[in-house]
Amino acid sequence: AQTVTQSQPEMSVQEAETVTLSCTYDTSESDYYLFWYKQPPSRQMILVIRQEAYKQQNATENRFSVNFQKAAKSFSLKISDSQLGDAAMYFCAYRSARETSGSRLTFGEGTQLTVNP
Amino acid sequence: DAMVIQNPRYQVTQFGKPVTLSCSQTLNHNVMYWYQQKSSQAPKLLFHYYDKDFNNEADTPDNFQSRRPNTSFCFLDIRSPGLGDAAMYLCATMGRGISSYNEQFFGPGTRLTVL
Repeated sequence: AQTVTQSQPEMSVQEAETVTLSCTYDTSESDYYLFWYKQPPSRQMILVIRQEAYKQQNATENRFSVNFQKAAKSFSLKISDSQLGDAAMYFCAYRSARETSGSRLTFGEGTQLTVNP
Repeated sequence: DAMVIQNPRYQVTQFGKPVTLSCSQTLNHNVMYWYQQKSSQAPKLLFHYYDKDFNNEADTPDNFQSRRPNTSFCFLDIRSPGLGDAAMYLCATMGRGISSYNEQFFGPGTRLTVL
């Protein structure tokens, strides 16, 4: 079974600064997808960024980028120019590309990010 | 806007009194999920539908049931809620193609309180 680990329960960053959230995972599969989801205090989960395992190029979405290290099974999220609206719980998630997986997401424990003005 | 809608947003029930939570979607997605999320924890998948095919997680208690009468609607029934069932319940959907890049879209959740 796959597991996802986020070793930082809480992180804080100053507004306009850069922060990196860590995520490691364990899998024996070669084809899979990785996601970072954000859950603000209003609790609606939204997708921040995603990565296909077969792509070597790291995904980027505006101020959000990932450092995907497939051999090390690491998938960290970098938030540049942090804004107050970035404050949320961030979940790293894994999904197998196999049809028989049921398309279920395996979530990490989450990292609570605080942005200080 | 296309979206995932959950009603009600807040639900209070009594210990042992059946309760139904609803989810609807305008995305025309064929996969629908129900998650349970307790405070400061990751969502825990209860079950999901791939079209009409129901897929239960092995550790989902029998107390939890689900119905999907059509593509747009999915219901979570808790037959005899216990205090431990108090949580946020999240509905999510995903478009066609398990082996695809598709993301799951989440609803705002229903917070269930059991008295």
